[in-house]
Amino acid sequence: DTGVSQNPRHKITKRGQNVTFRCDPISEHNRLYWYRQTLGQGPEFLTYFQNEAQLEKSRLLSDRFSAERPKGSFSTLEIQRTEQGDSAMYLCASSLVGGPTEAFFGQGTRLTVV
Amino acid sequence: AQSVAQPEDQVNVAEGNPLTVKCTYSVSGNPYLFWYVQYPNRGLQFLLKYITGDNLVKGSYGFEAEFNKSQTSFHLKKPSALVSDSALYFCAVRDIGGGGNKLTFGTGTQLKVEL
Repeated sequence: DTGVSQNPRHKITKRGQNVTFRCDPISEHNRLYWYRQTLGQGPEFLTYFQNEAQLEKSRLLSDRFSAERPKGSFSTLEIQRTEQGDSAMYLCASSLVGGPTEAFFGQGTRLTVV
Repeated sequence: AQSVAQPEDQVNVAEGNPLTVKCTYSVSGNPYLFWYVQYPNRGLQFLLKYITGDNLVKGSYGFEAEFNKSQTSFHLKKPSALVSDSALYFCAVRDIGGGGNKLTFGTGTQLKVEL
C-alpha cells in the first residue's frame, strides 16, 4: 500500500454543476477524514468516518456537501450545485484506531469552479 | 475550542544555519501536537508529534520540536537548514473533544532556505 490515494487530482467545473471526489485510505485504517484548504490557509476539518459511520460533520459542510463511506473502505465527497467559493484543495486523510495518533494525508483534489 | 497560532507567515534562513518555525496552541486539556510539511500542489506529510513524555521530540529529515507547556508552544527546529527544506509548514493540535483525531491547523509558515 502506497498511502492515501485521491482522485481526480484536479477538477475544473462550471458553477452549478455537481462534482464527486474519491478517497482510498491506507488499507487497514478505519478512520477517514475530509479537509478543505483554501489559498493561504491551513486545512479545515469537514467530516470524518469511523468505518462506515459518519461521526462528525463541521458547520462548514453545507447541505450541498455530502460524504459517504459505504463499506468502510473508500469514501466519496460530493458537492452539488457548485459555487465559486467551493474552489479549494480537498484533502483526505486516514488513521488507525489504537494505532499511531497521526493522520496520513493524500495529495488532494484541487477543485476550480469557473 | 482548540486553536493554533503560527505568528510568522514566512521565515527566511540561509542554508547551513539553524531554523525555527514558531507555533503556539490553546487547548482545554492536554494537547496532542503535530507538525506537517506541504510542498507545492501536494498533500501534507507528517513530520513529528508530541503526545506525552520527553519535551524534545525528533522527527523526519532531521527536524525536531520542543514542547513547552508553560509557554503553550511547540516550535519546530532544525540545526542546519537545507534548500530542500523550503516548503509550507503547518502546526496542528488534536481536538481532544472530538475524540477522533480531528486536527485543528494553524495558517502555515512558508520556509525559504537560500544559498
